Amino acid sequence: AQTVTQSQPEMSVQEAETVTLSCTYDTSESDYYLFWYKQPPSRQMILVIRQEAYKQQNATENRFSVNFQKAAKSFSLKISDSQLGDAAMYFCAYRNAGNNRKLIWGLGTSLAVNP
Amino acid sequence: SAVISQKPSRDICQRGTSLTIQCQVDSQVTMMFWYRQQPGQSLTLIATANQGSEATYESGFVIDKFPISRPNLTFSTLTVSNMSPEDSSIYLCSVARGFDQPQHFGDGTRLSIL
Repeated sequence: AQTVTQSQPEMSVQEAETVTLSCTYDTSESDYYLFWYKQPPSRQMILVIRQEAYKQQNATENRFSVNFQKAAKSFSLKISDSQLGDAAMYFCAYRNAGNNRKLIWGLGTSLAVNP
Repeated sequence: SAVISQKPSRDICQRGTSLTIQCQVDSQVTMMFWYRQQPGQSLTLIATANQGSEATYESGFVIDKFPISRPNLTFSTLTVSNMSPEDSSIYLCSVARGFDQPQHFGDGTRLSIL
């Protein structure tokens, strides 16, 4: 069975600095998707970025980028130029390609941004 | 992405009662899902809401406790029946435009049972 592990329950970063959140996963599949979602205190779950396993190029969305290491089964999120609004719970999630029903979630990393 | 409206945003209910949560999307979507997020936890999938047929429930969730409707491609409801304090959670609706598209979430419903 697939699993997702986020080993950092809490992280903090200074405003304008860069922070990296870790995520590792376990799967025997070769075709899958990985996601980072953000959940601020308002509780809405917001898609930050997604990565298709068949793509070698790391996904980027403005200040958010990932470091996808398929062989190591690692999928870290880098937030550059951190802003106060980036403070939130960040969840890493996995799903097999062709199965949109089942997202496998990590336990989350709580990110604090210090002014 | 789609605009997803979830109602109510929060509620406080008495033990033994039922509450229906609505999820409305501003455009047709292929897939709709219902999740539960208990305090300090990540998300647990309750079921996939199927248009025009019975929902597909995950292990540990049953239709009698969590009946789900999906009459069309833009609307679904989740009912939490015969509530107990253990049902106090955030309930989230998510949608995906296509089978291979990412899921997007509504704002969630914070439910507290006294």
